[in-house]
Amino acid sequence: KAGVTQTPRYLIKTRGQQVTLSCSPISGHRSVSWYQQTPGQGLQFLFEYFSETQRNKGNFPGRFSGRQFSNSRSEMNVSTLELGDSALYLCASTTANTYEQYFGPGTRLTVT
Amino acid sequence: GQQLNQSPQSMFIQEGEDVSMNCTSSSIFNTWLWYKQDPGEGPVLLIALYKAGELTSNGRLTAQFGITRKDSFLNISASIPSDVGIYFCAGQMNTDKLIFGTGTRLQVFP
Repeated sequence: KAGVTQTPRYLIKTRGQQVTLSCSPISGHRSVSWYQQTPGQGLQFLFEYFSETQRNKGNFPGRFSGRQFSNSRSEMNVSTLELGDSALYLCASTTANTYEQYFGPGTRLTVT
Repeated sequence: GQQLNQSPQSMFIQEGEDVSMNCTSSSIFNTWLWYKQDPGEGPVLLIALYKAGELTSNGRLTAQFGITRKDSFLNISASIPSDVGIYFCAGQMNTDKLIFGTGTRLQVFP
């Protein structure tokens, strides 16, 4: 079974731009969660989608948004990028009958 | 955001030694997960725990779900160089968001 895939793996953007990251969960997984990881703040939860609905949300500003499609693939969008948005963005998908989250390799975003 | 207290923050050990790390929370959880992360990669799930007092092994790794449901422990026996990485605990209550620990950085010297 293929694992969680994320595209792109690396991205460089300029302040003020917007960016869209993509995540394809493991086949059969219906929940997708997004995390931001920085050296100083560790793993911070952004949001979780289940069956195309946002089920949980972290404490991030409205510039961070996401969505999930009917095939469970998910995207997250960051508008008006700031330097502090530079981070590794991870998505994880969850099995149907347990709470085990399986992570993708991440997208490394650098904002200059 | 909320994070769990994980200790120690870092460990430098010799190959062959055993390792212990733990995670504590002010809230109770009904799921504890342990992950390992290599540089530039996503965390990999090592062990999942679902019951207070549960002890689960995965090869040289053993993890326990604390009886108070507010803590968890991970032990690695006979460490090897490929054990190097950052270990994270994570706790969850039902379908609430997963809360991660601050991480333990493990360095193994030959």
